[in-house]
Amino acid sequence: GAVVSQHPSWVICKSGTSVKIECRSLDFQATTMFWYRQFPKQSLMLMATSNEGSKATYEQGVEKDKFLINHASLTLSTLTVTSAHPEDSSFYICSARARPSTGELFFGEGSRLTVL
Amino acid sequence: GENVEQHPSTLSVQEGDSAVIKCTYSDSASNYFPWYKQELGKRPQLIIDIRSNVGEKKDQRIAVTLNKTAKHFSLHITETQPEDSAVYFCAATRPDNDMRFGAGTRLTVKP
Repeated sequence: GAVVSQHPSWVICKSGTSVKIECRSLDFQATTMFWYRQFPKQSLMLMATSNEGSKATYEQGVEKDKFLINHASLTLSTLTVTSAHPEDSSFYICSARARPSTGELFFGEGSRLTVL
Repeated sequence: GENVEQHPSTLSVQEGDSAVIKCTYSDSASNYFPWYKQELGKRPQLIIDIRSNVGEKKDQRIAVTLNKTAKHFSLHITETQPEDSAVYFCAATRPDNDMRFGAGTRLTVKP
């Protein structure tokens, strides 16, 4: 089956530093990857959609200069949280859609970010 | 864009009883409706899905029904067990669109 690997699974950083999260599709080509953020006891909120070789599309209210998304290949997308602050602490989950798409999303394991 | 609403937000049932979670969607072009189960700190797991050309789908104790006219779909879990306790999310999408999730339902199955 389709496997998406996300790394790191958890990270603790100091306020003001940057953190990079990687999302890889291991056995399929992901033309589109989605990045979600989930605060405690809340739903998955779409942050941005990234397509291979093009700029990411950000949801309203998500700062593109703070959450840098790069989709350099058909199997890798990265999310960099720049100048992280405590309010950025959250569970970040990537997901990927295979080609041709059936609609189904395949999720990474998630990355729990804690900013001190 | 798509807007998905989910009810109830919490649901508590006795072991062996049935649980029903309902969702509505706004985009009549959405044609794929998955249900995910998420345990604390883990990724969502697809438990069942339905496409718009089908009105009902069943997989053992889990079933999903879809009413395209009314734009709502429901998850039915029969003979609930304590291990069914988790947060359940519905979602709606089209193959080339992003996926929007409902707010989630925290299901507690009491032994």
